Amino acid sequence: QVQLQQSGPGLVKPSQTLSLTCAISGDSVSSNSATWNWIRQSPSRGLEWLGRTYYRSKWYNDYAVSMKSRITINPDTSKNQFSLQLNSVTPEDTAVYYCALRDNGYFQHWGQGTLVTVSS
Amino acid sequence: QSVLTQPPSVSGAPGQRVTISCTGSSSNIGAGYDVHWYQQLPGTAPKLLIYGNSNRPSGVPDRFSGSKSGTSASLAITGLQAEDEGDYYCQSYDSSLSGVIFGGGTKLTVL
Repeated sequence: QVQLQQSGPGLVKPSQTLSLTCAISGDSVSSNSATWNWIRQSPSRGLEWLGRTYYRSKWYNDYAVSMKSRITINPDTSKNQFSLQLNSVTPEDTAVYYCALRDNGYFQHWGQGTLVTVSS
Repeated sequence: QSVLTQPPSVSGAPGQRVTISCTGSSSNIGAGYDVHWYQQLPGTAPKLLIYGNSNRPSGVPDRFSGSKSGTSASLAITGLQAEDEGDYYCQSYDSSLSGVIFGGGTKLTVL
């Protein structure tokens, strides 16, 4: 059974970088079928897909157009995990952030969620 | 404003049937991309409810069913139970945005 365990700070100051990690058990970040995603949820924006990383003989990343200039998602094969970095955050980036496994188009497994508040 | 449109709320009495619509466009549902549905209970992460338009993962009761036609999809819940109360989201892919899209969510209230 796949489990995703998120970690990272719940409070980030404006203009700084939001960093979260998602540790994977029961599957491999180097899987040839799964993709590893970050999604966030806020009352104003609902569920919003941020981007993904995946391995198909080499590593690929896809990012939401709205995030492209500020986001980086990286795999860490040594620890079987992947991470999210979101630069230059503002209060509008306050949300619950989820990592999730997507395969065949749908999100089968989700992390527990991390509430990240952007405030000084 | 979400790319996929859902009614903000629906309600029904225990035992009744409710449906939740998810309306898209020619660049997502109408382009043939599958629709998936998630149930989110208070304080928890979304949980996959229906995948590939009409398929139920193991463990999901057959009271839940999904369908798709044209640029829209629907989730039907029969034999409503109090435990079904929560938020429901549809999800697909959009070729114009080159990314995953979600509906705005529908809050189900069991009266």
